Amino acid sequence: GENVEQHPSTLSVQEGDSAVIKCTYSDSASNYFPWYKQELGKRPQLIIDIRSNVGEKKDQRIAVTLNKTAKHFSLHITETQPEDSAVYFCAGRPDDKLIFGTGTRLQVFP
Amino acid sequence: ETGVTQTPRHLVMGMTNKKSLKCEQHLGHNAMYWYKQSAKKPLELMFVYSLEERVENNSVPSRFSPECPNSSHLFLHLHTLQPEDSALYLCASSQDRWGNSNQPQHFGDGTRLSIL
Repeated sequence: GENVEQHPSTLSVQEGDSAVIKCTYSDSASNYFPWYKQELGKRPQLIIDIRSNVGEKKDQRIAVTLNKTAKHFSLHITETQPEDSAVYFCAGRPDDKLIFGTGTRLQVFP
Repeated sequence: ETGVTQTPRHLVMGMTNKKSLKCEQHLGHNAMYWYKQSAKKPLELMFVYSLEERVENNSVPSRFSPECPNSSHLFLHLHTLQPEDSALYLCASSQDRWGNSNQPQHFGDGTRLSIL
């Protein structure tokens, strides 16, 4: 079955710097890769997603890149702000189920 | 966003108690999910319902019993739980379980469950 690995588990950056979170997946059938943000005590919320027929997608300060050959995808956050502090989860979908990574706790220091 | 509502938000129970978690979605979705979220672990899918029919049960112990009376409501009945069952239980819904339109899953705020 699908296995999604996510790194790093924690990431600390200075406000204004960029943050990059990486995920790898094992099942080449995965064709949809969402990223969720979960603030402390709150629900996971979708922030960006990418389909396997696209290599990159951008939404303001957030971008996701996908390398199907290497089976990895990454979340890029530029000009980080304290409100970006949260746990970020990647996921892959090989069939009708989302398989999540273990999460990355991002801390942005002012 | 209040599309997916879960109650209660917090629950403390003994190992011999019976309780139920409730989830309600107002998004007109046809698929609903229960996930378990433990510290330093990926979100674990427990159950999937599509059009009120259970389509997935990821080898969850029988002390967890789901119920989906209609497409808007999902319950998780709990009995004789163990301390390791303490976790955040998240409900989610999506347009359909296949996600062909890539409609994302919408999550509730979760129920923080503590087993004494």
